[in-house]
Amino acid sequence: DTGVSQDPRHKITKRGQNVTFRCDPISEHNRLYWYRQTLGQGPEFLTYFQNEAQLEKSRLLSDRFSAERPKGSFSTLEIQRTEQGDSAMYLCASSLLGLAGNEQFFGPGTRLTVL
Amino acid sequence: ELKVEQNPLFLSMQEGKNYTIYCNYSTTSDRLYWYRQDPGKSLESLFVLLSNGAVKQEGRLMASLDTKARLSTLHITAAVHDLSATYFCAVEGNNNDMRFGAGTRLTVKP
Repeated sequence: DTGVSQDPRHKITKRGQNVTFRCDPISEHNRLYWYRQTLGQGPEFLTYFQNEAQLEKSRLLSDRFSAERPKGSFSTLEIQRTEQGDSAMYLCASSLLGLAGNEQFFGPGTRLTVL
Repeated sequence: ELKVEQNPLFLSMQEGKNYTIYCNYSTTSDRLYWYRQDPGKSLESLFVLLSNGAVKQEGRLMASLDTKARLSTLHITAAVHDLSATYFCAVEGNNNDMRFGAGTRLTVKP
């Protein structure tokens, strides 16, 4: 079990640029979540997928944020026209929804710095 | 809207002492999770609580859930330095989104 992986681990970009992050979930997990975490705060839910279907996206922070999960495997989170306020840690988590609840396993995160 | 509140937000303990972290939430849910986060690291799952009265224990940590009171507790027994970390509770909402508390930053001092 290789766990949840995220790429890149760090991203520095200039304001106005587009960035894309990738998340590879645990292989047998059917749910994939994206969160944003700022310093001193808990993770903030952004969106989630069940297989390839994006079931909740109303909490994406703005229309500059979008996520995809083609074929129900890896997922990407894109931020267009980045702003300094987008600087944060972006976390991905996966789970296998079942009788044991929705225990989520988190990746190491991608730290975004917008200059 | 589902809101999750933890207290205290900061906790400094001496080794060997006991303490409890509280997690209150605002709307009906019977799925609550506890996570640990070390500085600069990601989140590690500690406990999954899925029903009223659920109690889970692992080492010096014990978590419980009272869905009627909308309250979960994380009890620390005889704290040791290795328990120093930030602890988050998370509640699953009706839309399967997960709402996290702000976290309790625990420091255990010798």
